Amino acid sequence: AQSVTQPDIHITVSEGASLELRCNYSYGATPYLFWYVQSPGQGLQLLLKYFSGDTLVQGIKGFEAEFKRSQSSFNLRKPSVHWSDAAEYFCAVGPRRGSNYKLTFGKGTLLTVNP
Amino acid sequence: EAGVAQSPRYKIIEKRQSVAFWCNPISGHATLYWYQQILGQGPKLLIQFQNNGVVDDSQLPKDRFSAERLKGVDSTLKIQPAKLEDSAVYLCASNKDGTSYGYTFGSGTRLTVV
Repeated sequence: AQSVTQPDIHITVSEGASLELRCNYSYGATPYLFWYVQSPGQGLQLLLKYFSGDTLVQGIKGFEAEFKRSQSSFNLRKPSVHWSDAAEYFCAVGPRRGSNYKLTFGKGTLLTVNP
Repeated sequence: EAGVAQSPRYKIIEKRQSVAFWCNPISGHATLYWYQQILGQGPKLLIQFQNNGVVDDSQLPKDRFSAERLKGVDSTLKIQPAKLEDSAVYLCASNKDGTSYGYTFGSGTRLTVV
């Protein structure tokens, strides 16, 4: 069965510092990969996605993620964190083929940004 | 364009009571999803509709949960009777045609069962 692991439940960084959020997946074949962000009381917003091609993908708000097939990982990075980035981040996977394009989410990583 | 609308935003009920949530997807979106997000966990798909037909309800606890999407537009999710473990945020999402991952999520309904 497919699963997504986000090893870090909570990460605290200082404003201006770099950030890396980890994501590992278990899947029968290489899935489509996503990162979503959720601010308090808000729905999920798509940051970026990987379907194929260049393994380094750029997203909104200055985020990027790198797909590493050998490590079954899709880590999210940002070179300089802003206070407004404080939120919960979810990694998700979905099948390349199928009838319902269902997303499977990790448990999330809560990001706190110190001034 | 308007986003996915959900109501109510918050609901507190006692166990064994019933509750209903409403979702209005983006106009023209054929696919609608209900996700359950328990505190400390990622969202889990409960049910997916394509127009007014059910595509996937494999993780819907059918003894207490029900959902419908009349006329292929709005949808309601009902819990009857509620249990303490149903406390969660219920997220609705819609997708233009279900053949891609162009999801748009609503802000969710936070349910507390006491």
